[in-house]
Amino acid sequence: QVQLVQSGAEVKKPGASVKVSCKASGYTFTSYYIHWVRQAPGQGLEWMGVINPSDGGTTYAQKFQGRVTMTRDTSTSRVYMELSSLRSEDTAVYYCARGFFPYDFWSGSGDWGQGTLVIVSS
Amino acid sequence: DIVMTQTPLSLSVTPGQPASISCKSSQSLLHSDGKTYLYWYLQKPGQPPQLLIYEVSNRFSGVPDRFSGSGSGTDFTLKISRVEAEDAGVYYCMQSRQLPWTFGQGTKVEIK
Repeated sequence: QVQLVQSGAEVKKPGASVKVSCKASGYTFTSYYIHWVRQAPGQGLEWMGVINPSDGGTTYAQKFQGRVTMTRDTSTSRVYMELSSLRSEDTAVYYCARGFFPYDFWSGSGDWGQGTLVIVSS
Repeated sequence: DIVMTQTPLSLSVTPGQPASISCKSSQSLLHSDGKTYLYWYLQKPGQPPQLLIYEVSNRFSGVPDRFSGSGSGTDFTLKISRVEAEDAGVYYCMQSRQLPWTFGQGTKVEIK
């Protein structure tokens, strides 16, 4: 079955960077886009960007342009999301989510990782 | 960005009774490929969102048939025919018609 397993919780100081991983299994890794969505404590869901694991192509939300980098490693079926210049407002649970249909850039997601809590605090 | 507006923001329902959540988008979610990219998710505390409905009205695998979705263009509805205790949580509509994906504010459903 499809699984997206994310790395563990992180505590970072303001100004630092964090890199969250998402290991995919149970399907052909390069066939489905991977999106990143975050959720601040008690808040709603916010889309950050998407990566095509096949060619590494990315599209980021304007809000995160210049601060976020999404990469993939096809040899380990992992996708990474790195967020730099962290501030307290970046404290959130970060989720990876697989596109619903293969090769479909526009489809939403049916499978989500368990989430990674990132706390930014001095 | 497409703005998604859900109503109501909270709902208290007696088991066995129906429930309905409305979601309106600021632009049509109908894509040139003929699909309408509107999704419904349920999030329970401490868990990631779980997909209920994709492309307006298609139930995801394993989702009980008491859940149904309808609508077109900019107006959409999620209905639960007979609410059960396990249906408690926060419901979100989401559009993927245009990047960035955007979500409704969420509707918190409480079971009486």
